[in-house]
Amino acid sequence: GQSLEQPSEVTAVEGAIVQINCTYQTSGFYGLSWYQQHDGGAPTFLSYNALDGLEETGRFSSFLSRSDSYGYLLLQELQMKDSASYFCAVSRGGGGNKLTFGTGTQLKVEL
Amino acid sequence: DAGVTQSPTHLIKTRGQQVTLRCSPKSGHDTVSWYQQALGQGPQFIFQYYEEEERQRGNFPDRFSGHQFPNYSSELNVNALLLGDSALYLCASSYSTGDYEQYFGPGTRLTVT
Repeated sequence: GQSLEQPSEVTAVEGAIVQINCTYQTSGFYGLSWYQQHDGGAPTFLSYNALDGLEETGRFSSFLSRSDSYGYLLLQELQMKDSASYFCAVSRGGGGNKLTFGTGTQLKVEL
Repeated sequence: DAGVTQSPTHLIKTRGQQVTLRCSPKSGHDTVSWYQQALGQGPQFIFQYYEEEERQRGNFPDRFSGHQFPNYSSELNVNALLLGDSALYLCASSYSTGDYEQYFGPGTRLTVT
């Protein structure tokens, strides 16, 4: 089977940097994605890592270590609008591939 | 360019009834996936449709069925509704070759009483 673990809640202040970790156990791992979901909203794609290392997209970066079955999402220069739930999701290959989501991390950004 | 749309937005049904939810994918996408999201949980994969066929299925009973039409839109049907089926049902579309990046619709909030 597959399992993903994330912290349930993280709190940080505006302007700070926060890291959300994700560890996974899966067969046939292909890549790790990150999605953001505001309360009452749809999940939106943030980032994807298929290879080890860091991927940077503006204020957001994502890291993957395949050997450690571990990844993280790094959010810099936090803004109030970043308060949301963040999900890591494992994919097992292109074509006919499903996403298995973690339980999510609720990020609260405070003044 | 319209994103993923779903209808209806909200739905209230009685235990034992049947429900049909609808999804139109983002323009250019050919693959549609359905997810169930319970409160405080991550989305759980139900199934995925490509070329009008179910390509993959998650751990959901046969009461959950679907369909994809030639224009790539899709329906999710749930029969014999249970209280535990109350959830947000999300539709996501993608290209068949890039399934890791899925575009989600706003969801249908189903309440079973």
